[in-house]
Parts: sequence; structure tokens; C-alpha cells
Amino acid sequence: ETGVTQTPRHLVMGMTNKKSLKCEQHLGHNAMYWYKQSAKKPLELMFVYNFKEQTENNSVPSRFSPECPNSSHLFLHLHTLQPEDSALYLCASSPYGGRGRGTDTQYFGPGTRLTVL
Amino acid sequence: GEDVEQSLFLSVREGDSSVINCTYTDSSSTYLYWYKQEPGAGLQLLTYIFSNMDMKQDQRLTVLLNKKDKHLSLRIADTQTGDSAIYFCAESLDDKIIFGKGTRLHILP
Repeated sequence: ETGVTQTPRHLVMGMTNKKSLKCEQHLGHNAMYWYKQSAKKPLELMFVYNFKEQTENNSVPSRFSPECPNSSHLFLHLHTLQPEDSALYLCASSPYGGRGRGTDTQYFGPGTRLTVL
Repeated sequence: GEDVEQSLFLSVREGDSSVINCTYTDSSSTYLYWYKQEPGAGLQLLTYIFSNMDMKQDQRLTVLLNKKDKHLSLRIADTQTGDSAIYFCAESLDDKIIFGKGTRLHILP
């Protein structure tokens, strides 16, 4: 138990569906992250939020839409996905966030296994 | 450039020591990490080492850092079946962490 929870753990959706992934951290951290992990690529950083503000969007297609209503919650809204978007989506949080603060250890949730049909 | 390299597979007999190696490219990295990912799970932070250290030991885990060669290794003593997982090496750069592709550790009976 790392203090970062993700729901649902598994999700199957069609290309025309709209769904959302949820992440919650109970660690009092200020930064939250979305990563994509697929079989063919290393971990890909998608989005970074520091103090609820998006500070990084790593050229992610607009069919992925993040939302961070507060420092403890992070959502990833999904719509009109493609089969190649099937992957494990990992959420992480870290204590400090912010640029230029040196390293900031990240703690990961268990992930949501997404399958797009 | 930002790149972390590690071999993809390692097979070790139960009870032996496992050594997982990693090379990184940016000498300004502040921390270097080892994460463990078991099947169907997220990444679990195993240990980390600050860049001004050469070695860190934590129970069965020993991390060695050769900063001159930008080489990091993780040694697992007395490898058990529960150690079967993918091990990710990672380096910190400012506010980002760069991950390797992971080494899958397979335990032979």
C-alpha cells in the first residue's frame, strides 16, 4: 500500500465511449502525474500537475483530458480512444513538485489496465 | 540526451545473488532509483541513492553507484521467488524522472 489509489483497476471500452480514470493520494503530496505503460515502450510521462496547476503536457493527444480539482485527486478523462491506447495507466504523486526543486521521489498507484476495443 | 539503459531479462537460481545493471547518461542526476513492478501492479519504490554516495545497503539490497562511468547496479542477496518482477532503474533530472525499460527477473528453482 503506497498511499496512492486508482480506480477502476481494469476498464474495457469501445472507441466511441467516454470514461474517466481516477487517482487519489493520501500522502499530502503537492504534485501528481499520469504515466502510460505499454508493452512496447518504456514508461511515458503524460501529464504533471503541481499544486493543482498543469505544468507539463508531454504531447498527449486531446482524446486524453486530465483534471486536477485539488492536490489529492487527479482524473484522466477518455473519449474516442484508439486500440493503440490500450495500456496500463499509472498515477504517481510526489511531495514537493515544482521546477528546479531537485529530485522529488514519486510514489505510484497500482494502475488501471485499459483495453480499447 | 536523456536515456537510461538496462538489459531486458535476467535469470537467477533461487538462493543465488541477482545483479541488475543500469547505465544513465546525465551526470547532473541528483538521485538514482530502483523500482519494482510485480505482475498486475504499479511501481513500488525499492530504494534510491543520492549521487554523492557510492553504495547503499538495505537488508538484502545493495546499490552500487559508479558516477564516473554512470553505472548503477542493484544486488539482491539470497534471491527468493517473491523477487520475481520487473526492476526499473530511473534517474532524476530537475522535476522529471527518466525510467529505463525495466529488467525482468526470472527465478529458477
